[in-house]
Amino acid sequence: EDQVTQSPEALRLQEGESSSLNCSYTVSGLRGLFWYRQDPGKGPEFLFTLYSAGEEKEKERLKATLTKKESFLHITAPKPEDSATYLCAVRYGGATNKLIFGTGTLLAVQP
Amino acid sequence: DTGVSQDPRHKITKRGQNVTFRCDPISEHNRLYWYRQTLGQGPEFLTYFQNEAQLEKSRLLSDRFSAERPKGSFSTLEIQRTEQGDSAMYLCASSLSAPPRGPRNEQFFGPGTRLTVL
Repeated sequence: EDQVTQSPEALRLQEGESSSLNCSYTVSGLRGLFWYRQDPGKGPEFLFTLYSAGEEKEKERLKATLTKKESFLHITAPKPEDSATYLCAVRYGGATNKLIFGTGTLLAVQP
Repeated sequence: DTGVSQDPRHKITKRGQNVTFRCDPISEHNRLYWYRQTLGQGPEFLTYFQNEAQLEKSRLLSDRFSAERPKGSFSTLEIQRTEQGDSAMYLCASSLSAPPRGPRNEQFFGPGTRLTVL
């Protein structure tokens, strides 16, 4: 069954402690991998789209990378305001435009 | 604010009642999507429109759920005879219908409508 899996489920970091979040996917015919940030009680906020293995995107302390099986969201020197749930989603296959989401990684950055 | 807007933000209803939610997409976006999210899970796709045409519906969308986008602008999602299992955050997103592997077709989400069925 096509699947998107995120790990770890939760991550606690000290301010300034860099780390990576993982999103692995088993869909065929990937047409885009998307990263979103979601704060409690709010809708997901778009961060990045990746289309091809080897592609990288950066925004402030965040860097997303893509391979043929997984994507990483690297967080460099995180700050408390980076605390949120980070969601990964894929679009794949033929004509569909729906996104299939993972369950997210809850990141807590302590000062 | 030119983002996606949803109304109401919160809705509490009793089991068996009907509820309707509204979504206003980003003005130049011709695609509109509905998702449902429960606690600890990622959003699950329900349905999407391109202009006024409903192009895809999930099997999650039972016959108690209906969505419309009559003029290709705002959309409504109605749930009839609500059940406690319908309690969730209902998210709306919009996008352009740009080429699938190109830029400018990302989905941008609204703040969601939190539904609680008592």
